[in-house]
Amino acid sequence: DTGVSQDPRHKITKRGQNVTFRCDPISEHNRLYWYRQTLGQGPEFLTYFQNEAQLEKSRLLSDRFSAERPKGSFSTLEIQRTEQGDSAMYLCASSLERQRGWETQYFGPGTRLLVL
Amino acid sequence: AQTVTQSQPEMSVQEAETVTLSCTYDTSESDYYLFWYKQPPSRQMILVIRQEAYKQQNATENRFSVNFQKAAKSFSLKISDSQLGDAAMYFCAYRSATAGANSKLTFGKGITLSVRP
Repeated sequence: DTGVSQDPRHKITKRGQNVTFRCDPISEHNRLYWYRQTLGQGPEFLTYFQNEAQLEKSRLLSDRFSAERPKGSFSTLEIQRTEQGDSAMYLCASSLERQRGWETQYFGPGTRLLVL
Repeated sequence: AQTVTQSQPEMSVQEAETVTLSCTYDTSESDYYLFWYKQPPSRQMILVIRQEAYKQQNATENRFSVNFQKAAKSFSLKISDSQLGDAAMYFCAYRSATAGANSKLTFGKGITLSVRP
């Protein structure tokens, strides 16, 4: 168990550019979540996958955001035409669905995005 | 929609002393889970303790314990014998246990805990 990993850890980009983040969950975890955390706030849910199916997207996830989880393994989060308001920490978490739904989400170290 | 409120932005505790972090939540559901997560500076978030709403007994994990008051919708975290390594941001989080519900976590704004040597 090597934990949840995210790449890159830091990303600086110019407004209008596209960026893509990757998340590798704990192996055999079937659920994967993306959250966004701005300075001084708690993480806010963006979207989640069960295996390769994207089950829910938050209203925070505008049309410029897209997430995928091909083959139910790693996931990517892409932001197109970045805006300064996209600057935040993007957190990935994974979990193993259990009976009765009792599961723990394990978080990665996050990708800190700065849009200039 | 569920909300989680952490009204204290910062707290400080002397090493070896006890501190209590407050959290309240709002929900119309009867079955849910509550969590405390710890986020050290520049490090990833880790689970401290969790509580199932249908269990009346308060959860404990070594020096960490909770005071779960379901009727009052309160879920406080007590840290005993505080250590320097406890300094971090602490988040209270809620998750629905309703069948078919989104299993996302809803977080409070967090509280920054500092530990004085």
